[in-house]
Amino acid sequence: QSLLTQPPSASGTPGQRVTISCSGSSSNIGANTVNWYQQLPGTAPKLLMYSNDQRPSGVPGRFSGSKSGTSASLAISGLQSEDEADYYCAAWDDSLNGVVFGGGTKLTVL
Amino acid sequence: QITLKESGPTLVKPTQTLTLTCTFSGFSLSTTGVTVGWIRQPPGKALEWLAVIYWDDDKRYSQSLKSRLTITKDASKNQVVLTMTNMDPVDTATYFCAHRRGGYYRGYFDSWGQGTLVTVSS
Repeated sequence: QSLLTQPPSASGTPGQRVTISCSGSSSNIGANTVNWYQQLPGTAPKLLMYSNDQRPSGVPGRFSGSKSGTSASLAISGLQSEDEADYYCAAWDDSLNGVVFGGGTKLTVL
Repeated sequence: QITLKESGPTLVKPTQTLTLTCTFSGFSLSTTGVTVGWIRQPPGKALEWLAVIYWDDDKRYSQSLKSRLTITKDASKNQVVLTMTNMDPVDTATYFCAHRRGGYYRGYFDSWGQGTLVTVSS
């Protein structure tokens, strides 16, 4: 059972805005920054968002991240079919002295 | 350009020790701030962090697997090695190595290897 809680699934139609939540605790999200990874089917994860709300070069601006207290969110606006993937949040946990990942959210574009 | 590639056995028997090597290019593990980590993913399941090694040879391990894991580096060969003892079928997974930047606590994995599937079976 993951220390970071994500909904197992999310869905939306093309053009819609969807959000994926990530709930943690004071020892992880509450104390450190959150990163998001996108994993397309059959591929390695790719960094999608770092330091809560920073997009790496090449990531479209329709992806955005936020953090408040012990929770974080990833928002995708103008949903596209190629966004269909698994999304994982991650953060450092001060109590465990290591990285924790969320359980992942499978995004389906209807 | 940073690249990483995992190598090692695809099949190990229960109780055996797994040794995986991550060979990388585009950065040096001797450079301050550079970190390499290992993450695994059982088939159809979520990512699980295993270990990281820092430029200064500091190491951190998953608490649940700490007794079974060892991570080492050979900066001159641009390699990081992960060993996991007493393998069990539940350890069947794709194992990824990844470059991490951003510091000890606020780091993130910005480049990943393609992963290598390890099956544990007799």
